[in-house]
Formats: sequence, structure tokens, C-alpha cells
Amino acid sequence: KAGVTQTPRYLIKTRGQQVTLSCSPISGHRSVSWYQQTPGQGLQFLFEYFSETQRNKGNFPGRFSGRQFSNSRSEMNVSTLELGDSALYLCASRKTHYNEQFFGPGTRLTVL
Amino acid sequence: DAKTTQPNSMESNEEEPVHLPCNHSTISGTDYIHWYRQLPSQGPEYVIHGLTSNVNNRMASLAIAEDRKSSTLILHRATLRDAAVYYCILSYLNQAGTALIFGKGTTLSVSS
Repeated sequence: KAGVTQTPRYLIKTRGQQVTLSCSPISGHRSVSWYQQTPGQGLQFLFEYFSETQRNKGNFPGRFSGRQFSNSRSEMNVSTLELGDSALYLCASRKTHYNEQFFGPGTRLTVL
Repeated sequence: DAKTTQPNSMESNEEEPVHLPCNHSTISGTDYIHWYRQLPSQGPEYVIHGLTSNVNNRMASLAIAEDRKSSTLILHRATLRDAAVYYCILSYLNQAGTALIFGKGTTLSVSS
């Protein structure tokens, strides 16, 4: 069974731009969560989607948004990028919101 | 949200058992204890989880104190591939399911 895939793996943007990251969950998994990982703050929860609805949300500004499609694939968007948004963005999927999560390899975003 | 406290780092020798401690004194009755680990340059990987009783799987064992205020992840025979950051996480239950709040984790070094 294929694991969680994230595209692109690496991305370089400049301040003020916007970016869209994509996540394809494991087949049959209906829940997708997004996390931001930085050396200073560690792994921080962004939001979770289940059946196209946002179910949980972390403490991030409105510049961070996401959505989930009917095939469970998810996208995360960050608008008006700031230098502090440079991070590894991880996506995780699970069958339901009560199961263990399976993480993808992440997208490394660098904001210049 | 309930928090966990872990040592920043631990060292072990190959083929020896490793006991990774975690304190969670404010745990509530519905909080599950999860352990994930993150190998270098990879996304986190599920290790084990439990509620009240000790748990075993092919990767590790989880020993939970009777008052549930602490737990220990046990790797029975450490290998070089077990060198990773280990996260002890309490997942809280709400209407949307369970959400994971990661702490700083313990960096485990394994020497040959």
C-alpha cells in the first residue's frame, strides 16, 4: 500500500507570495492533518480535515488555510508569506479521527 | 490541553534495553498516551499508544503508571536504526475526534 505523498518536496518562495502544498493520503484514509515543524517551535498542529470538513484547528493565523477534496486529497495554502513561515510542512492521514496517524515526508518551504 | 514532559536527550548502547520516560501529571480520564518517533529527514512514525493498561507491539512496549501521571516507552533491544526523536503525546478527545499535540520530544542516540 502506498504511503502518504506530499508535493512538492522542496519549495522556495519570497516574502509576500502565496503557496499551495498538496497531500495525497493513504488509500481509504478519510482524515488528513497538517503540521508545521520548525527548529524553534517543534511540531505544531495546523488543522485536520475529515470528509471535506475542517474538524480541528490549531493556533495559526488566518493566512494558513486548507481544504479537502472528495477523494480525500488535501491542499494547504499560505498567503502573504513571511520569513517565519520557513518550515517543514507535514501531512498525516488516518482512517478515521480515532486511529493512529501516518505521516508523509513533508514539504520543505523556504521563504526568502 | 494536558502537557507532557520528557528529557531532552538520552543515550543508549546497541542491543541494550532503553526506557524513555514521560510525565503527564495533568492527564484527564479520556486522554490516550501516544508515542511517535521521527527519524532523521523523515516524517514522524507511530510507535504505540495506550489508555490505562500496559501495551506491547512489535516495535516497543508501553508501561503506564497506575495513576496514569507518567509512562515509559520501552525499546527491548536498541539498534542503530532506533536513533530518533521520540515524542510522548496526549491525544485529547473532543467532538471532532482526537487531536495530537506534540511536545519537544527526547532525542535518543544509540552507539555501537
